[in-house]
Amino acid sequence: DTEVTQTPKHLVMGMTNKKSLKCEQHMGHRAMYWYKQKAKKPPELMFVYSYEKLSINESVPSRFSPECPNSSLLNLHLHALQPEDSALYLCASSQDPGSVEKLFFGSGTQLSVL
Amino acid sequence: GQQLNQSPQSMFIQEGEDVSMNCTSSSIFNTWLWYKQDPGEGPVLLIALYKAGELTSNGRLTAQFGITRKDSFLNISASIPSDVGIYFCAGGKSNTGKLIFGQGTTLQVKP
Repeated sequence: DTEVTQTPKHLVMGMTNKKSLKCEQHMGHRAMYWYKQKAKKPPELMFVYSYEKLSINESVPSRFSPECPNSSLLNLHLHALQPEDSALYLCASSQDPGSVEKLFFGSGTQLSVL
Repeated sequence: GQQLNQSPQSMFIQEGEDVSMNCTSSSIFNTWLWYKQDPGEGPVLLIALYKAGELTSNGRLTAQFGITRKDSFLNISASIPSDVGIYFCAGGKSNTGKLIFGQGTTLQVKP
């Protein structure tokens, strides 16, 4: 099983809304990631959690707030987003936080901010 | 920041043709990964390479880890319509927790 599950698949929100993206993996991976991807561009790293602790924050604005409740779950809380934040948000996981030997992605949440 | 130069940017080929794309970098990587992404979906891992000179196949796909550790290529043989998508290379370095992605190669296959 190499599945990373993301919900919801699609999300439309206003700039004053608060919403959360959810991610789950049951592969026993110890690293989990959030990426942002604009159309036809490569994924851009946002956050890395290593053993349930935030290890990398790529200078992401505070309107994005990650949370790792346990080793299988990863959330991304959204508040006061801007239209330019519209993108595909990808969750990923890997076995070893340091080596990134294999990174498995979920199918993403397509976010539209109005 | 670090960059991977992926080429070509796009390809439009006839069904049955072979395809080749590559990524080059000015720095050394320990891992090379190749992904395929369909519209509205996440990238799917095709092939992972871990050793300089390594040549790995996955069905009609073949990828190689360059001997200098600064490049990798992906070949697709006898292309079919479902090969359509965007292909990304990604390089990883030990103990960084990060992958560096190429800009992608968009493949279109004409039946």
